[in-house]
Amino acid sequence: NAGVTQTPKFQVLKTGQSMTLQCAQDMNHEYMSWYRQDPGMGLRLIHYSVGAGITDQGEVPNGYNVSRSTTEDFPLRLLSAAPSQTSVYFCASSYSGVWGHNEQFFGPGTRLTVL
Amino acid sequence: EDQVTQSPEALRLQEGESSSLNCSYTVSGLRGLFWYRQDPGKGPEFLFTLYSAGEEKEKERLKATLTKKESFLHITAPKPEDSATYLCAVSDRPFGAGTRLTVKP
Repeated sequence: NAGVTQTPKFQVLKTGQSMTLQCAQDMNHEYMSWYRQDPGMGLRLIHYSVGAGITDQGEVPNGYNVSRSTTEDFPLRLLSAAPSQTSVYFCASSYSGVWGHNEQFFGPGTRLTVL
Repeated sequence: EDQVTQSPEALRLQEGESSSLNCSYTVSGLRGLFWYRQDPGKGPEFLFTLYSAGEEKEKERLKATLTKKESFLHITAPKPEDSATYLCAVSDRPFGAGTRLTVKP
């Protein structure tokens, strides 16, 4: 099991460029999510998905799009990069249980710099 | 307003000096409190889940406890390899900002 994988590990963009951060999991988890982590602010939820074809917004969705066409993949798209999107991005997955929220498995992160 | 607060922000201990980290929450309808460990440059790693007041879980030098308003992560006789940021999350609410633990040899 590879767990949760993310690509790329590092990326530098210019303001206005677009890109897609890739995330994949091989644990057959229904729930997947994207977070950004900034110094002193902890993890903030961008978007999440409870299954293929279903996505919803988190705390900080502006400037990001997601889609979930398969159980395994959950890409995050930056439409027009801004310096405020400089951050470390984590993808996570978990199984859905009775309680609706379970422990999450995180990927290694993508470090994004927008100039 | 639902809130998760962790304290202290940073904690420096000598090797072998036991202490506790706190996670307080104001969430209605708790559906799980989660502790994670995060090493620099890596993604968070799951440690414990607690579901009801009075519940306790242990793993090596770590012990997590839960009351109706807060959780403690007790670290007994810590070692330098326990140095990390410890994150708390409650149900589907935002993560706490974390406690950065440094254990000096």
